[in-house]
Amino acid sequence: AQSVTQPDIHITVSEGASLELRCNYSYGATPYLFWYVQSPGQGLQLLLKYFSGDTLVQGIKGFEAEFKRSQSSFNLRKPSVHWSDAAEYFCAVGAYGNKLVFGAGTILRVKS
Amino acid sequence: SAVISQKPSRDICQRGTSLTIQCQVDSQVTMMFWYRQQPGQSLTLIATANQGSEATYESGFVIDKFPISRPNLTFSTLTVSNMSPEDSSIYLCSVEALEGYGYTFGSGTRLTVV
Repeated sequence: AQSVTQPDIHITVSEGASLELRCNYSYGATPYLFWYVQSPGQGLQLLLKYFSGDTLVQGIKGFEAEFKRSQSSFNLRKPSVHWSDAAEYFCAVGAYGNKLVFGAGTILRVKS
Repeated sequence: SAVISQKPSRDICQRGTSLTIQCQVDSQVTMMFWYRQQPGQSLTLIATANQGSEATYESGFVIDKFPISRPNLTFSTLTVSNMSPEDSSIYLCSVEALEGYGYTFGSGTRLTVV
């Protein structure tokens, strides 16, 4: 069965510190992988996506993610967190023509 | 990528009534998806809307409760019928572009049932 695990429900980091949000997936075929961000009261914004090719993908707002097939992981990273990054982050997996399956989300808090 | 306009952005409805949510896309898309996000939860797929055929519903969701229309390649509606407070959620429309560039979401409809 297709599934996405985000093991951290909440993460708190200091402003300026580095960030890594974990995502592990289970999918029968070669997956498409996504990270979305949702600010309070807002819809979902796509941060980045991986379809194929270079396993390190760059996204918006200074985020990047690395696809590791051997670990079935697609962790999101940012070298220096800003207070405006406080939001909920969702990892999702899918394939062309199929539904997206979402993880439970990780709430990021940034302390000054 | 596609731009999605979803209406209404929010509504407060009385229990027992119905609400129809509209999703308009600025380009033709093959697949349109309707998701529900209950308070404090992740997104759950309700159904996939295909043009010219009936929607495909996920387990736990039925057409009588969530009827969907997809009259063309740029538009879809989701109706939440006979609402109860448990239907209070954010409902999101999502599309997959024909070019396969990924999935885009509308800004969502925040529904409160009182």
